[in-house]
Amino acid sequence: GAGVSQTPSNKVTEKGKYVELRCDPISGHTALYWYRQSLGQGPEFLIYFQGTGAADDSGLPNDRFFAVRPEGSVSTLKIQRTERGDSAVYLCASSRLRGVRAFFGQGTRLTVV
Amino acid sequence: DAKTTQPNSMESNEEEPVHLPCNHSTISGTDYIHWYRQLPSQGPEYVIHGLTSNVNNRMASLAIAEDRKSSTLILHRATLRDAAVYYCILMNRDDKIIFGKGTRLHILP
Repeated sequence: GAGVSQTPSNKVTEKGKYVELRCDPISGHTALYWYRQSLGQGPEFLIYFQGTGAADDSGLPNDRFFAVRPEGSVSTLKIQRTERGDSAVYLCASSRLRGVRAFFGQGTRLTVV
Repeated sequence: DAKTTQPNSMESNEEEPVHLPCNHSTISGTDYIHWYRQLPSQGPEYVIHGLTSNVNNRMASLAIAEDRKSSTLILHRATLRDAAVYYCILMNRDDKIIFGKGTRLHILP
């Protein structure tokens, strides 16, 4: 596709449930980032992939959050035992290389009720 | 990560130029100055970046102070579609993007 695609665009889940958020980066982009954005705040870094490996996961808030990118393309952000505080917009971005222009998806709005 | 300081919000009239300031007094010699913007209900989008010299592209111009401790994003003729949050970010090569709170730009018709 022409841009970064994130699915679903909206997700409502009950507290305690498990969710998966998907990101399809731009073809050929080796760097992939996940961010979380709460209302009125700037995006908060979660994790960065270079190829298949998580090169920097320093932003993951706790061990309920995990992300994979098994073939170096599509990535999935997984959240276990969701809490109401996890409600936010989750953004994915990709770039040719780290440190250069990044392209963002439209985000997945997660609501935990 | 180096820090930037931006005004929380600014207003401008439609079809007039807009100058969005950014202070980055602790910038290092290898930090690039990047600007992204985020339109309502959308992901951030790249606007422009530079290192030392002023830069122009179809979206905007970036004016960088000689000492590099500040920069200004210039929108030459604002439209209603330019209403967004604008983020000024310092990045080395091999850095991740760290967002601050940005400047919320309001455009008055």
